[in-house]
Amino acid sequence: SQELEQSPQSLIVQEGKNLTINCTSSKTLYGLYWYKQKYGEGLIFLMMLQKGGEEKSHEKITAKLDEKKQQSSLHITASQPSHAGIYLCGADKDNTGGFKTIFGAGTRLFVKA
Amino acid sequence: NAGVTQTPKFQVLKTGQSMTLQCAQDMNHNSMYWYRQDPGMGLRLIYYSASEGTTDKGEVPNGYNVSRLNKREFSLRLESAAPSQTSVYFCASTRVGEQYFGPGTRLTVT
Repeated sequence: SQELEQSPQSLIVQEGKNLTINCTSSKTLYGLYWYKQKYGEGLIFLMMLQKGGEEKSHEKITAKLDEKKQQSSLHITASQPSHAGIYLCGADKDNTGGFKTIFGAGTRLFVKA
Repeated sequence: NAGVTQTPKFQVLKTGQSMTLQCAQDMNHNSMYWYRQDPGMGLRLIYYSASEGTTDKGEVPNGYNVSRLNKREFSLRLESAAPSQTSVYFCASTRVGEQYFGPGTRLTVT
């Protein structure tokens, strides 16, 4: 079965530093999603990537999809305390519309002020 | 719009008790989902409903039942709770791949 592996599992960065989180799939990625979860709350959609080589940005967060490597990366520039939380990647198991999305275990980000 | 709402937020059950988790969305989405989140395992799909009147099993359906009451509401029932069902449960609905999540229900089974 398809699995998504995220790295690192947790990350502590100083405010203002850049960081990257990776998500690697064991199978072909049909759609890749990034979500942020604040501790004790639900998930908030960040970005969706579908095409190989696609790159999207939202404020200081940029996500890229490398379809050949079956990998996506999430890059945060000049991190702030508001970026702290759990980042999860999700992927469609097939190309039939996303009814069965699988998720990685998440990366816990802590930002030191 | 309230988005996706879930009740209750917290629940403690004894082994063998039953309960229903409620979920409602006001975004007119066709598809709704139930996930459980356990430490180190991410989110796992329990059941989903592609549209009103249909439900299908996800990755971990054993011990659960669902009802898509109407387009807005999708409930999850535990008939006989077990300690292995201690988890945080999330309901979600979908618009063009983007899933909107509820705040979650933290369930403890003792």
